[in-house]
Amino acid sequence: DVKVTQSSRYLVKRTGEKVFLECVQDMDHENMFWYRQDPGLGLRLIYFSYDVKMKEKGDIPEGYSVSREKKERFSLILESASTNQTSMYLCAIGVAGQGGEKLFFGSGTQLSVL
Amino acid sequence: GQQLNQSPQSMFIQEGEDVSMNCTSSSIFNTWLWYKQDPGEGPVLLIALYKAGELTSNGRLTAQFGITRKDSFLNISASIPSDVGIYFCAGPVDGGGADGLTFGKGTHLIIQP
Repeated sequence: DVKVTQSSRYLVKRTGEKVFLECVQDMDHENMFWYRQDPGLGLRLIYFSYDVKMKEKGDIPEGYSVSREKKERFSLILESASTNQTSMYLCAIGVAGQGGEKLFFGSGTQLSVL
Repeated sequence: GQQLNQSPQSMFIQEGEDVSMNCTSSSIFNTWLWYKQDPGEGPVLLIALYKAGELTSNGRLTAQFGITRKDSFLNISASIPSDVGIYFCAGPVDGGGADGLTFGKGTHLIIQP
């Protein structure tokens, strides 16, 4: 089974803080993704990575950065958290197969920025 | 970019009822995926569809890949309380490379006892 672990289920931070969201996989998958989920907006792609030290912007990268120093770990960074970044953050890994890539998600981190 | 339109946005049903929801797109997809998200959890893959016209079942769930390749349908028969959650359709970004998936906004399924 594919296992994606997000380090925190709930986080509360203050405006202006630097926030790290961590995601770890237990297999040797290359593709990892960060989405945010907001009511009425569905899942929106923030950043993804094909391999170590590689990153690509998704649809809404503003206000975020990422780090992939090791293959198994993909970190999402909020340099200076703002209240509009209060959201559910979902990490996923991509598994190639018939018909293309499928995503497998972690349990999510609910971030509240006060 | 690609957009997936899901309907209905919400469904309030009685336990035991059948459920139908759909997903449409202005562009063609070669793969359709259906995910379910339980409250407080990440989405979980339910069904994957690979060919136009394909009909695939997973227990009480049945999904179909529309023949135009621009739509897909998910049906749940004899709903039970654990079916509550958000159902998302998804497809590969721009034709099937490794750039992740694009998702619909979801259908919230609420079951009234």
